[in-house]
Amino acid sequence: EVQLVESGGGLVQPGGSLRLSCAASGFTFSSYDMHWVRQATGKGLEWVSAIGTAGDTYYPGSVKGRFTISRENAKNSLYLQMNSLRAGDTAVYYCARLSGDEYYFDYWGQGTLVTVSS
Amino acid sequence: EIVLTQSPGTLSLSPGERATLSCRASQSVSSSYLAWYQQKPGQAPRLLIYGASSRATGIPDRFSGSGSGTDFTLTISRLEPEDFAVYYCQQYGSSPASFTFGPGTKVDIK
Repeated sequence: EVQLVESGGGLVQPGGSLRLSCAASGFTFSSYDMHWVRQATGKGLEWVSAIGTAGDTYYPGSVKGRFTISRENAKNSLYLQMNSLRAGDTAVYYCARLSGDEYYFDYWGQGTLVTVSS
Repeated sequence: EIVLTQSPGTLSLSPGERATLSCRASQSVSSSYLAWYQQKPGQAPRLLIYGASSRATGIPDRFSGSGSGTDFTLTISRLEPEDFAVYYCQQYGSSPASFTFGPGTKVDIK
């Protein structure tokens, strides 16, 4: 059974940093592109970052230069390093697996809440 | 960047009724790159439809997707109590690589 379990969320002050983790199990982690998607309370879904099987990374303009996605295949783990955090980054952050054949997310974790506030 | 618009924002229906949800793209999207998700309160999104019309594993056949180009539709033929939720469409764009979600349609009980 595919499982994605996020951790590392919490309260951080504006300008601070936080590192999220996602532990994957039930599939060959190294063979899949992995993503982070966030959702502010009561709002829609926003794609945050992606990492390919070769370690190539992608970001939208809203987080580029502040967030860094990485993976450690030996530990079946995905990470998101978030720096220079702003109030607008407050959201639930989901780890998601990109399907092996097309560009959709077939499995999602339950999310971890990040709150940026003084 | 492709922008997705979903309508209506809220759809108020009764169990047993048919729901028709629209997703419109600001420019043409490959059908292969269009997906739909269901999200219930406090839960992660769940994949319903991929490739515009293919049902994901375990999704009941009352859910169907259609469309091409800039106009896509998710249809729920007969609403069950567990179908009242928010539905999002999502597309992939390649130049540069990006993933975009629509703002969502909430299907609630009338």
